[in-house]
Amino acid sequence: ILNVEQSPQSLHVQEGDSTNFTCSFPSSNFYALHWYRWETAKSPEALFVMTLNGDEKKKGRISATLNTKEGYSYLYIKGSQPEDSATYLCALNTGKLIFGQGTTLQVKP
Amino acid sequence: NAGVTQTPKFRVLKTGQSMTLLCAQDMNHEYMYWYRQDPGMGLRLIHYSVGEGTTAKGEVPDGYNVSRLKKQNFLLGLESAAPSQTSVYFCASSYSVKRQTNTGELFFGEGSRLTVL
Repeated sequence: ILNVEQSPQSLHVQEGDSTNFTCSFPSSNFYALHWYRWETAKSPEALFVMTLNGDEKKKGRISATLNTKEGYSYLYIKGSQPEDSATYLCALNTGKLIFGQGTTLQVKP
Repeated sequence: NAGVTQTPKFRVLKTGQSMTLLCAQDMNHEYMYWYRQDPGMGLRLIHYSVGEGTTAKGEVPDGYNVSRLKKQNFLLGLESAAPSQTSVYFCASSYSVKRQTNTGELFFGEGSRLTVL
């Protein structure tokens, strides 16, 4: 079974701090690496879908990079805000999507 | 624009009872998935389907069956519910990864909370 690992499991930061999470995976044979944002009591929503040949992706203060050779992806949040508090999931798309356990971010005002 | 709809949203079962969760999507997606969410475990794939009439096992398929008789619907069945199946179930759908312009982004339903006593 493919193992997608995310670290850290949880993170508490102050408003204005920048932070980053890691997603690591063993396979280089995949279609894409996905990042999802999951707020409490809601459904996950896609942030980025990164393909093998993709560059850094950016959406506002959030960006992501993918290193297919070494098997990891980073998600960066610049100047964290309380509304960024959520669980961030990464998933490897090999024709089916296998998710990591997620990183739960709490941003304190 | 409904997207992905799951029914029911809540259900309480007794051990040994059976039930079916229905997922419907109106986006003409080829792929459909059933995940379960448990504390500290993220989303774990139960079964998935890459097209009408085809299904495949995911990471945690035991105790569940699925059917995809119509492209827009994906049913998840519990034949004999057990307390270990108490969870929140999410359905998701996406276009096929084989479509050239497709990113494979998943669209999720709102979740179905199942409690087995």
